[in-house]
Amino acid sequence: EAGVAQSPRYKIIEKRQSVAFWCNPISGHATLYWYQQILGQGPKLLIQFQNNGVVDDSQLPKDRFSAERLKGVDSTLKIQPAKLEDSAVYLCASSLESSYTEAFFGQGTRLTVV
Amino acid sequence: KQEVTQIPAALSVPEGENLVLNCSFTDSAIYNLQWFRQDPGKGLTSLLLIQSSQREQTSGRLNASLDKSSGRSTLYIAASQPGDSATYLCAVGGGADGLTFGKGTHLIIQP
Repeated sequence: EAGVAQSPRYKIIEKRQSVAFWCNPISGHATLYWYQQILGQGPKLLIQFQNNGVVDDSQLPKDRFSAERLKGVDSTLKIQPAKLEDSAVYLCASSLESSYTEAFFGQGTRLTVV
Repeated sequence: KQEVTQIPAALSVPEGENLVLNCSFTDSAIYNLQWFRQDPGKGLTSLLLIQSSQREQTSGRLNASLDKSSGRSTLYIAASQPGDSATYLCAVGGGADGLTFGKGTHLIIQP
C-alpha cells in the first residue's frame, strides 16, 4: 500500500515570497490533515479536511495560509507572503475516518524562509 | 484546551536495557492515543494506536498502556537496540479535532 506522498521535500524561499506544498493521501482515506512542526516541538494541526470539506482550521493563519483539497483527494497548502517564523516542517497526514482512526504521515516538506 | 506532556525530554541508555517513556494529557475525553517515532529529517511513523476503550496495545518489543481516567500513557521498549534511537511522540485524538501532540522524547541507545 502506497503511503502519504508529499512534495517538494525541501524548499528555501525569501521572506515575502509565496510557496505551495502538495500532498497525496493514502487511497480511500477520507480525512486529510496539514501539520506544522517547528524545530524541537511536536506537530501542530493547521487544518483538517473530511473529504473536500474543512472540519477544523482554527489554527490556520488565514491572512497568509490557505489550503484546498480538490475532489476530496489531493491537497495543496499555500503560504503568501512567507515570514521568517514560517520556517518549519510541514507534514501531511491522512486517516480512514477522522481522528477516530490511525493517522499516517508523509515525509514532510522542510521550509526555510531567509 | 488539550495539553500533552512527555517526560523525559531526552533519554540515553545502554543497549539491551528496558525503558519506559511517559505521556500525560490534561483532558481525559479522548477517543484514542497514538505513539509515533520520528527519525531525523523524516516524517512520523505510527507505532501503536490505543482506542479509549482499550488498556494496552503490543507490537513486537513495544507495549503501550493507557489510563484514560488519570490522563496517562506509557510506552515500554524491551531489550533496546541502537536502531531504536529516535524521537518518540505521543498524540491524543479528540474526535473531530485532529491529534494533539507532545514535544517528544529524544531517545539515544548507546551501542
